[in-house]
Amino acid sequence: SQTIHQWPATLVQPVGSPLSLECTVEGTSNPNLYWYRQAAGRGLQLLFYSVGIGQISSEVPQNLSASRPQDRQFILSSKKLLLSDSGFYLCAWSVWGIRSGANVLTFGAGSRLTVL
Amino acid sequence: QKEVEQDPGPLSVPEGAIVSLNCTYSNSAFQYFMWYRQYSRKGPELLMYTYSSGNKEDGRFTAQVDKSSKYISLFIRDSQPSDSATYLCAMRLDYGGATNKLIFGTGTLLAVQP
Repeated sequence: SQTIHQWPATLVQPVGSPLSLECTVEGTSNPNLYWYRQAAGRGLQLLFYSVGIGQISSEVPQNLSASRPQDRQFILSSKKLLLSDSGFYLCAWSVWGIRSGANVLTFGAGSRLTVL
Repeated sequence: QKEVEQDPGPLSVPEGAIVSLNCTYSNSAFQYFMWYRQYSRKGPELLMYTYSSGNKEDGRFTAQVDKSSKYISLFIRDSQPSDSATYLCAMRLDYGGATNKLIFGTGTLLAVQP
């Protein structure tokens, strides 16, 4: 069965410090990978998605970047965190064709980032 | 106007009640409709999904899509305290690939009181 791991679960960082959130998927090959941010009352905002190694698409201009060094690894980074980067970050994967082509997303447990 | 609108709640009901959660949307081309459940401080988990119009039932849960009204619903029968969570609707167009992005509602917070 497929599993998705995301870490760290909780992170408190000072403004201006770097960030690295990691996500790995097991039990599947060539997944589509996604990073979302969830803010209270604002729903889920898609930040990045990737259809393969080294292929990153950015949805919104921001202080963050993403990388996919391996097929099942997705990393969210920042060189200098801002207060506005605080939030709940979710990694997700999907594979086209599963569940009758619905391309549904399966989410990790999330990483809660507080920037002080 | 947002593509997907969802009442944020909170919605508080007694145990055993029938719960109705709803979303409206503006893009008539949406074809896949999903409901996710998210417990506090956890990632969302897929509850149900439907394609195009109609109803789908899974145990105590029924998903309903009315494309003519651009309105989807999730019904929970015999609600339990363990159903207390945020429920997010989501939808997408009918073509394949990662570029076919899922559009989420903001979520409705449900509290089932014992």
